[in-house]
Amino acid sequence: GAGVSQSPSNKVTEKGKDVELRCDPISGHTALYWYRQRLGQGLEFLIYFQGNSAPDKSGLPSDRFSAERTGESVSTLTIQRTQQEDSAVYLCASSSTGVWPQHFGDGTRLSIL
Amino acid sequence: AQSVTQPDIHITVSEGASLELRCNYSYGATPYLFWYVQSPGQGLQLLLKYFSGDTLVQGIKGFEAEFKRSQSSFNLRKPSVHWSDAAEYFCASGGNTGKLIFGQGTTLQVKP
Repeated sequence: GAGVSQSPSNKVTEKGKDVELRCDPISGHTALYWYRQRLGQGLEFLIYFQGNSAPDKSGLPSDRFSAERTGESVSTLTIQRTQQEDSAVYLCASSSTGVWPQHFGDGTRLSIL
Repeated sequence: AQSVTQPDIHITVSEGASLELRCNYSYGATPYLFWYVQSPGQGLQLLLKYFSGDTLVQGIKGFEAEFKRSQSSFNLRKPSVHWSDAAEYFCASGGNTGKLIFGQGTTLQVKP
């Protein structure tokens, strides 16, 4: 497809397990962003990639959260030892040269039991 | 610190009525400003954006927004609301780093 693709669309896991969330940006988009949306709240910035480097990871809430990106392609957000407060929708966005505008995927809904 | 405030958590309007959703921003310089719409279970769709120039910007689906520096506002308007406009609306601002700061969102309900 032509848009930002995220997988899985839904993920249910037990507290303490590790999870990996995947984002496929729009082809050719050099910038990639991860956001978190908790129930009833706005989006919180997590991390920004330009190519495969991350100039801004100030939004990662703890060292349990990490992300990587392969070249100007797929990115993976990993949450280790998940906690119930990690339950949220995780949204990925990408943009072409420059940083605006950002095009969003449909998100991964993560539920921690 | 950069911040975005959407004062109205929930708004209900009748179909065919006009709409205005409020957004205030706090930023040292002129920010880049955006309005996004999110339907249930969907990602965010960009309605319109303001970077510079003409302070009245036109977007998709008949929406427009006006940047008012003196009021630090970027309110979203539509002259006549359709039932399909029911969704959650987010105002966001960004600087040069690529980080978007979002408001808490306004849920729009449309009465028939």
